[in-house]
Amino acid sequence: EPEVTQTPSHQVTQMGQEVILRCVPISNHLYFYWYRQILGQKVEFLVSFYNNEISEKSEIFDDQFSVERPDGSNFTLKIRSTKLEDSAMYFCASSGLAGGTGELFFGEGSRLTVL
Amino acid sequence: AQSVSQHNHHVILSEAASLELGCNYSYGGTVNLFWYVQYPGQHLQLLLKYFSGDPLVKGIKGFEAEFIKSKFSFNLRKPSVQWSDTAEYFCAVTRKAAGNKLTFGGGTRVLVKP
Repeated sequence: EPEVTQTPSHQVTQMGQEVILRCVPISNHLYFYWYRQILGQKVEFLVSFYNNEISEKSEIFDDQFSVERPDGSNFTLKIRSTKLEDSAMYFCASSGLAGGTGELFFGEGSRLTVL
Repeated sequence: AQSVSQHNHHVILSEAASLELGCNYSYGGTVNLFWYVQYPGQHLQLLLKYFSGDPLVKGIKGFEAEFIKSKFSFNLRKPSVQWSDTAEYFCAVTRKAAGNKLTFGGGTRVLVKP
């Protein structure tokens, strides 16, 4: 069964460092997403990406965040200068359909710990 | 504010007990409704979804949910739980006006005691 894969599963970094979280979406999907879940809180939408550009982003997704699809398979989330409050589980998801009709398939998450 | 609310944060029950998890949303207009489950150490998986039609939807692993439009609710049920149903359950909504962006409820941790 096709699945979304994420690396690393856990990353520990110092405050101020850059972090790149990687995702390989399901191969024929066209819509890509990042969500995050701070420990004990809701799963929150960060950004959606389609046709090589951001289609929507939340207030959380400020200038410290960026996304990229550098090749045909990877979808990355970069945090330029990490803060303590960026510590969270980051989930990548992909979907084959738009318009609120598609199921999102999630990866297992990348746990980011900022010290 | 528009949101998705799950009433119970933690539920503890014994095997064979019935389970019902509440979910309410506050969006107007056309919505699509989902329940996702996250087993310990695993990724979010879709349990079931409602787009249109029969408001009683059946999902995997014996779960079902009922969409009651007048109550803005989409409660999840299972008549008889098993220990393997121990997980966190998330209600989520997409709105046609907002693409595929899922808005999640706060989640309900369910512990089934053997």
